[in-house]
Amino acid sequence: GENVEQHPSTLSVQEGDSAVIKCTYSDSASNYFPWYKQELGKRPQLIIDIRSNVGEKKDQRIAVTLNKTAKHFSLHITETQPEDSAVYFCAATSGYSTLTFGKGTMLLVSP
Amino acid sequence: ETGVTQSPTHLIKTRGQQVTLRCSSQSGHNTVSWYQQALGQGPQFIFQYYREEENGRGNFPPRFSGLQFPNYSSELNVNALELDDSALYLCASSLEGGQGWDAEAFFGQGTRLTVV
Repeated sequence: GENVEQHPSTLSVQEGDSAVIKCTYSDSASNYFPWYKQELGKRPQLIIDIRSNVGEKKDQRIAVTLNKTAKHFSLHITETQPEDSAVYFCAATSGYSTLTFGKGTMLLVSP
Repeated sequence: ETGVTQSPTHLIKTRGQQVTLRCSSQSGHNTVSWYQQALGQGPQFIFQYYREEENGRGNFPPRFSGLQFPNYSSELNVNALELDDSALYLCASSLEGGQGWDAEAFFGQGTRLTVV
């Protein structure tokens, strides 16, 4: 089955800095890669996703890149703000949205 | 906020008991997936229901079972509860076209189950 590794497990940045979270996956058949943000005690929220026919996708301060050859994808957050502080999860799936998640990255943005 | 709702929000059960958790999918969605999220971990896939049929299962024992109803809402049942079943149980709904092309999955707020 699919295995998703996520790094780092914790990330501390100053407000205004950029943050990068990296994930690798094992199943070359995986074709959809969403990213979720989960604040303490709340549901995971889809923030951006990318499909295997695209190499990069951007939405305001958030971007995701995908390298299918190397089987890794990354989340980039620019101009970080304190409200970006949360746990971020990457996920991968090869069909029917049965997601395999990474273990999460706790992002702390200090004012 | 998504249109996915779960009930109850919190639950305390005794080891050996049985529990039923409920999920109402977002309007127009035909697929519900269930996940278990232990503290400090990512969600783990339990199973998925697509048009009332089980459509995939993760590495969970048979005491985890489910249903999907004609209105696409769903139940997760867990028998013979164990202490390790304590976790946040999340359901996610999506609209699948049946061709395996993934649709965005939106999560409910979860049910926090504590087994004592």
